[in-house]
Amino acid sequence: DAGVIQSPRHEVTEMGQEVTLRCKPISGHNSLFWYRQTMMRGLELLIYFNNNVPIDDSGMPEDRFSAKMPNASFSTLKIQPSEPRDSAVYFCASGTNYYNEQFFGPGTRLTVL
Amino acid sequence: AQKITQTQPGMFVQEKEAVTLDCTYDTSDQSYGLFWYKQPSSGEMIFLIYQGSYDEQNATEGRYSLNFQKARKSANLVISASQLGDSAMYFCAMRETNTGNQFYFGTGTSLTVIP
Repeated sequence: DAGVIQSPRHEVTEMGQEVTLRCKPISGHNSLFWYRQTMMRGLELLIYFNNNVPIDDSGMPEDRFSAKMPNASFSTLKIQPSEPRDSAVYFCASGTNYYNEQFFGPGTRLTVL
Repeated sequence: AQKITQTQPGMFVQEKEAVTLDCTYDTSDQSYGLFWYKQPSSGEMIFLIYQGSYDEQNATEGRYSLNFQKARKSANLVISASQLGDSAMYFCAMRETNTGNQFYFGTGTSLTVIP
């Protein structure tokens, strides 16, 4: 299995631009999680889906952030407009149910200038 | 209150020795899961070990074991026979099941293995 796939691996953009991060979970996994990691705030859960349905988005920082999961094999996290404080590593993770471990993707390092 | 507390920002261990990384958690749920992840300098998050709240035996995975003390709400990670490749950040995490399956991570412990 290829594991969780994230793209792009690195993204540099200017403030005000729209940023879209993509994630392909492991085939057969029915839960998908988006995290953000910064030195200041550590690892934060932004949103998670179960069977393509958003279950808890209370971690999404503000309305500039949105996430979708149109099918079991694809999810996006969009930031519009982006701001320098959004600079972080964004991880996607997938799992088979609520009790099992999550498998993380390699992360997308986002830099907003 | 913090859901997951890791009080050791940094730890050092001699190669081939054992090391314990501390983790305490806070929950009123009866059903929850505890996890440890490793993050090497390359940045990926690697799952190491899982302990369910109803599991009576401590979880073990190779050189990793989880010292689960439910009454103390602690879930310490023990790494035996440390190797240079164990140098990394280690994160303790918890998933609660009765509060929407929220998932919490600690702030991490940086482990350095000394040759």
